[in-house]
Amino acid sequence: NAGVTQTPKFRILKIGQSMTLQCTQDMNHNYMYWYRQDPGMGLKLIYYSVGAGITDKGEVPNGYNVSRSTTEDFPLRLELAAPSQTSVYFCASSSIEGYNSPLHFGNGTRLTVT
Amino acid sequence: DQQVKQNSPSLSVQEGRISILNCDYTNSMFDYFLWYKKYPAEGPTFLISISSIKDKNEDGRFTVFLNKSAKHLSLHIVPSQPGDSAVYFCAASVEGGTGFQKLVFGTGTRLLVSP
Repeated sequence: NAGVTQTPKFRILKIGQSMTLQCTQDMNHNYMYWYRQDPGMGLKLIYYSVGAGITDKGEVPNGYNVSRSTTEDFPLRLELAAPSQTSVYFCASSSIEGYNSPLHFGNGTRLTVT
Repeated sequence: DQQVKQNSPSLSVQEGRISILNCDYTNSMFDYFLWYKKYPAEGPTFLISISSIKDKNEDGRFTVFLNKSAKHLSLHIVPSQPGDSAVYFCAASVEGGTGFQKLVFGTGTRLLVSP
């Protein structure tokens, strides 16, 4: 049972480059989320999706874009990488079954922008 | 504005003793509280939760206590084991308007349980 899978695990970008962080889940969860975690800080919500074709901004959306064309996939796009986007990125999903069902997280992508 | 605060960045406990991790929050609209555990190079995993209508929830060695008047919750681990060594995140939820939970995380407490 794979759960939530994120690729790549690590990436180094130069300022101004773009990249897509991939996230896929095999639990048929409706809700998906992208969080970032900076050193010594909690996780902050970037974007979320309540189902295929529906996305919305979280707490820190600037500099990112997302799409949700299928239930399984929720990629996060960085168009013009900046040093402030150096962070660890976590994708998560949760079920529509029951209010407050726990989030299932991937193992993260560590991104460095230099 | 840090709505969920974990004021102790780290905690060291001996194996077999009780570990108490604390969390304070400021937003009285939070209606659900969760603890997540994180090992290095892994994503957080759900540990235990509590609804705002309760003041205690137990699951094996883990118990979460909620004091709404003080806007404080705590996680008790008894007895502590070396495998419990991890970072523990407190999180609080406000119903997100479309049925999903919009979590606000604390900064985490690193627990080290020594043999």
